[in-house]
Amino acid sequence: DAKTTQPNSMESNEEEPVHLPCNHSTISGTDYIHWYRQLPSQGPEYVIHGLTSNVNNRMASLAIAEDRKSSTLILHRATLRDAAVYYCILRGIYNFNKFYFGSGTKLNVKP
Amino acid sequence: EPEVTQTPSHQVTQMGQEVILRCVPISNHLYFYWYRQILGQKVEFLVSFYNNEISEKSEIFDDQFSVERPDGSNFTLKIRSTKLEDSAMYFCASRGLLRGQPQHFGDGTRLSIL
Repeated sequence: DAKTTQPNSMESNEEEPVHLPCNHSTISGTDYIHWYRQLPSQGPEYVIHGLTSNVNNRMASLAIAEDRKSSTLILHRATLRDAAVYYCILRGIYNFNKFYFGSGTKLNVKP
Repeated sequence: EPEVTQTPSHQVTQMGQEVILRCVPISNHLYFYWYRQILGQKVEFLVSFYNNEISEKSEIFDDQFSVERPDGSNFTLKIRSTKLEDSAMYFCASRGLLRGQPQHFGDGTRLSIL
């Protein structure tokens, strides 16, 4: 699976939108883009995933660049509960095995 | 919403003892995983399991580790002779059969080796 690059940390104000970037310039055509987050003392939590088109769910939106070399996780209104480490992970469509967790982006939400 | 459950939430064991960590994956899932996270470090893959056999394992998953699906609902990780460096959070995950589906994680077992 191809490598991803994320900023180490970001800060946001409560109730404002947050855009978390991820670069994946070596992505292949069959790689899904997955986002997970890990709140303190909890297991990784699935947020959203997509292949080519932008995706929305109750937690977030995923915007995928046209060339698929980057993506952005959008939290529309950050809450204090959204403070977590966010991981962007690529996963081949035929890969049923491991996820590789990098260092992720630590999001701090200020009241 | 169905979830992965892990027990116990915290396990304290003497070095050299055997420990079994238990997981109940989501009921219609067929792929199962164990990961670990040493305090302050990244989440690391240990092993994946499908169709009653290991499909992939990492270098960490040596002979002291084993996994088992003893019945239709449980998935266990056994550490035969624990070492101090086995102290970590251990996460179980499961996923469904369709391609591209996400893995769903439990909240982990904190293993403390004394």
